[in-house]
Amino acid sequence: DGGITQSPKYLFRKEGQNVTLSCEQNLNHDAMYWYRQDPGQGLRLIYYSQIVNDFQKGDIAEGYSVSREKKESFPLTVTSAQKNPTAFYLCASTHRDRNQPQHFGDGTRLSIL
Amino acid sequence: GESVGLHLPTLSVQEGDNSIINCAYSNSASDYFIWYKQESGKGPQFIIDIRSNMDKRQGQRVTVLLNKTVKHLSLQIAATQPGDSAVYFCAETSRATDSWGKLQFGAGTQVVVTP
Repeated sequence: DGGITQSPKYLFRKEGQNVTLSCEQNLNHDAMYWYRQDPGQGLRLIYYSQIVNDFQKGDIAEGYSVSREKKESFPLTVTSAQKNPTAFYLCASTHRDRNQPQHFGDGTRLSIL
Repeated sequence: GESVGLHLPTLSVQEGDNSIINCAYSNSASDYFIWYKQESGKGPQFIIDIRSNMDKRQGQRVTVLLNKTVKHLSLQIAATQPGDSAVYFCAETSRATDSWGKLQFGAGTQVVVTP
């Protein structure tokens, strides 16, 4: 089945540590996105990528970094500069050339140790 | 719906009744709208979408209505079932180049279906 796979499902970060969240899709989608969701709130865009080797900052990019070396993969690194990283992180993807809904993975929940 | 702090607006619906979930948007350039359903601990699941050249679209047990004059979107669920209990989000985007594909999400509405 085609879909978006996020791993791990749960992740714990120590002070001063960088952690990387994985997102892989086999939908042949061009564009990929990372969102952050805090309790009781909507999704906020961290980074997005429309094509391989290119990405743009979203609304809350500070303290995060991404790469897009392959079409199917868009990993997110939460750096030590992100002072409040505890949240639910969601990855999404979509076709670029027409209005299509974004499809989401099942998220990674990041907590501070 | 709009959220207030950490408390999502909640819609309590009796099983078998129809549900109506509302969403207001602010960007008059938005031309594509989506409704998502999110169950606890999972990612949002696509329900239905509508483009700005339409004012109504129907799916299986769901209908989306778009009123561009007042920038209002609604999702109607017919014969609500216990499995419909979830948080529902509206999202909007514009085909303008500088905001392509960037969805703006509402804060969500919690739907609770009671027997």
